[in-house]
Amino acid sequence: AQRVTQPEKLLSVFKGAPVELKCNYSYSGSPELFWYVQYSRQRLQLLLRHISRESIKGFTADLNKGETSFHLKKPFAQEEDSAMYYCALSFPTSGTYKYIFGTGTRLKVLA
Amino acid sequence: EPEVTQTPSHQVTQMGQEVILRCVPISNHLYFYWYRQILGQKVEFLVSFYNNEISEKSEIFDDQFSVERPDGSNFTLKIRSTKLEDSAMYFCASSRSSGRTGELFFGEGSRLTVL
Repeated sequence: AQRVTQPEKLLSVFKGAPVELKCNYSYSGSPELFWYVQYSRQRLQLLLRHISRESIKGFTADLNKGETSFHLKKPFAQEEDSAMYYCALSFPTSGTYKYIFGTGTRLKVLA
Repeated sequence: EPEVTQTPSHQVTQMGQEVILRCVPISNHLYFYWYRQILGQKVEFLVSFYNNEISEKSEIFDDQFSVERPDGSNFTLKIRSTKLEDSAMYFCASSRSSGRTGELFFGEGSRLTVL
């Protein structure tokens, strides 16, 4: 069955330290993976998608099919990065695509 | 910038009552979704809707649940007879496309409290 696993509920780092938010997925086909973010009192929004291979707000994520992972990384954390981060998997079903989310990781960047 | 809007932001209801949660997706979007998040748990897929019909639904989406797009703009989730365990934040989302290019745009959520 398709699944997204985010093993850490909470990750605390100091400002300027590197950040890695872990995401593992389970899917037999070719995965479409995303990171969504929810800042305090804001709605859930797309941060980045693996197909774009871009850096957004200093964050990058590389798809590793061998390890079935899509970890989110940033070399130097900022206080404004504090938020809830969700990894998401999209896959085809019934003529459209279904998106499923992991349990989320709360990132706290300490001054 | 267009946004997905949801009403009400918070609803308190008695067990067994019917609840309708409303969503106005972004106007040129074609795919619509409902998710729910029980406090402290993950964002769970409930149902997806495309071309005026349900395209996929989860095990959670049983006969108590239904969705409608009655007038081409609203997208509603109805819970016929609420249970205590239906207490959650319900998120509506829409997207213009799906799959690798699809980006889900979420509403702010409707918090449902069942007493």
